[in-house]
Order: sequence, then structure tokens, then C-alpha cells
Amino acid sequence: AQSVTQPDIHITVSEGASLELRCNYSYGATPYLFWYVQSPGQGLQLLLKYFSGDTLVQGIKGFEAEFKRSQSSFNLRKPSVHWSDAAEYFCAADSDKLIFGTGTRLQVFP
Amino acid sequence: KAGVTQTPRYLIKTRGQQVTLSCSPISGHRSVSWYQQTPGQGLQFLFEYFSETQRNKGNFPGRFSGRQFSNSRSEMNVSTLELGDSALYLCASSFRTLYGYTFGSGTRLTVV
Repeated sequence: AQSVTQPDIHITVSEGASLELRCNYSYGATPYLFWYVQSPGQGLQLLLKYFSGDTLVQGIKGFEAEFKRSQSSFNLRKPSVHWSDAAEYFCAADSDKLIFGTGTRLQVFP
Repeated sequence: KAGVTQTPRYLIKTRGQQVTLSCSPISGHRSVSWYQQTPGQGLQFLFEYFSETQRNKGNFPGRFSGRQFSNSRSEMNVSTLELGDSALYLCASSFRTLYGYTFGSGTRLTVV
């Protein structure tokens, strides 16, 4: 069955530190891949997407993600985290419908 | 341009009632999808409509239904509400499928 896995439920980092959120997918063929962010009580905002081509994808708010076919991974990174990045982050994959991972809650300490 | 608009933002219903939620997609977007978000089950796909046709459906009981109008606006209906239907219902629209979706702020449904 198609699935998206985010192994980290909760991550805490200090402001200014680097960040990496993990995402693995299980699909027969490489799906389209996305990262979304959700602030409390809000909808989801698209950070970046990967369809094909360059495996390092740049997104909004200084985020980037790297697609690794051999590891079936699409990890999200940011070199320096800001307090406003605290939110829940969802990895998602789409081959005929959008399937989400369970999310990673990011907490940022000053 | 205007984003995806969902109405109402909050709703309280009693068990056994039925409810209709509305979604207006971004102008020009013909694909509309619906998701249910709960703390226990996370984000689950309900259904997707494209040009008034249901293109895909998730694993939800028949009490959950939807439709899309010729102007791409969509509604979802839940009949015979149960306490477990309490959730944030999110609508998303896209220019076409597999293109990435823009989400609305959601409708928070509470069933008492």
C-alpha cells in the first residue's frame, strides 16, 4: 500500500540551529512529493514540491528538500531556524491522491 | 488573487444531524479535494472532484458525500453525524491533478 512516513513526531531545536525533518515514502513508482506547514488552527501552506529533475528543491521561507530515490526519502532542511518556524510539518505524496505523513511538530527555543 | 475559501469556519452540530460544508476554490482551479484532520488519524483523504466528476474517493462510509458545481465550487455533506466526525475539514484546490494543492483554512466541526 502507498504510504508516507515521518519518523519524528516532535523535534525541538534552538533558534539559529539547523533543521532536518525526515520523510520516507513507499510507492511502486516515484510519486510527486510535497512539504506543507500548518500553524495552529490554520490550513496547510505549501513549502515546496518535487516533480522531477534536480533533486535539491528550493522552497519558501528558506526551506529546501532533497529527493533521494535510493533511500525513498524527501527530507526537509533549513540552515538556520527562526522562532516563527514553530509549527507542524507534513510530508505528502501524490500519484493519484494526496497522502500525508503523520506530521512532525517543531518547537523552537530562543 | 483570492485563496481557497471555506465556510463556515466553525460549526457545532448534534449527533444524528446532517451538515453541509462549502468550498470555493481559487479562480481557474478545476480540481477540489477534501480532507479530514483529527488528532488520532491525522490527515485523511475524503474525495476529489475534477470538472464536476468525482475522480477519487477515500475510505470513508457512505455518510460522507460531496459534489462539485459547474463553477468548481464544491460542497461536502455528512449525514447522521457521529461524535467521531468531529474534526477539521480541509478543502484544497489545484489547477490540475498532480500539480500541488492550495488549502483553505478549514471548517472546524464539533459534534455533541
